[in-house]
Amino acid sequence: DAGVTQSPTHLIKTRGQQVTLRCSPKSGHDTVSWYQQALGQGPQFIFQYYEEEERQRGNFPDRFSGHQFPNYSSELNVNALLLGDSALYLCASSGTGGTEAFFGQGTRLTVV
Amino acid sequence: AQSVTQLDSQVPVFEEAPVELRCNYSSSVSVYLFWYVQYPNQGLQLLLKYLSGSTLVKGINGFEAEFNKSQTSFHLRKPSVHISDTAEYFCAVIKSGGYNKLIFGAGTRLAVHP
Repeated sequence: DAGVTQSPTHLIKTRGQQVTLRCSPKSGHDTVSWYQQALGQGPQFIFQYYEEEERQRGNFPDRFSGHQFPNYSSELNVNALLLGDSALYLCASSGTGGTEAFFGQGTRLTVV
Repeated sequence: AQSVTQLDSQVPVFEEAPVELRCNYSSSVSVYLFWYVQYPNQGLQLLLKYLSGSTLVKGINGFEAEFNKSQTSFHLRKPSVHISDTAEYFCAVIKSGGYNKLIFGAGTRLAVHP
């Protein structure tokens, strides 16, 4: 079992550009959540996907959007990048009725 | 709404000494409680969780935590730390009974010195 996998591991983007991050959940998991972890802070919830629908959303602007595919994998899209979007983006998956979230290694996004 | 306060941003300790990382939470509803560890340039790994039952929970790598409802605390302890325990530790809560978001504290940096 490969666990939760995220790609890419690192990327650098210019202010104003758009970025797409990808996540494959742990085998058997159907729920994917995305978190933003700024340097020196705890992760902040962005949104959660289940059955290809956004089920919950945190306090993030509409520039942050996502998608879940029929195979439960997910994408996080961020438009009009700002310097403040620089962070580690973490994907977590969980199963139906599960109480534990499994995290991927994260994608380190640097906006210059 | 729920919130988590980790009372120490950094905890330095010598190898083989005991350690306690403190976590207080606030919630008007029942919650589940978690401790995660993050090694440099890595994601989060679950150390232990409290869902219900015994208030003393044991996790991986010799860590344990005690849930105290009256003090709304969930402190993490280890009787003897190793250099390899140096990492960032996060306390988190989630509303019990459904699919909910994790609310994390700001983290505690544990630095184990030889």
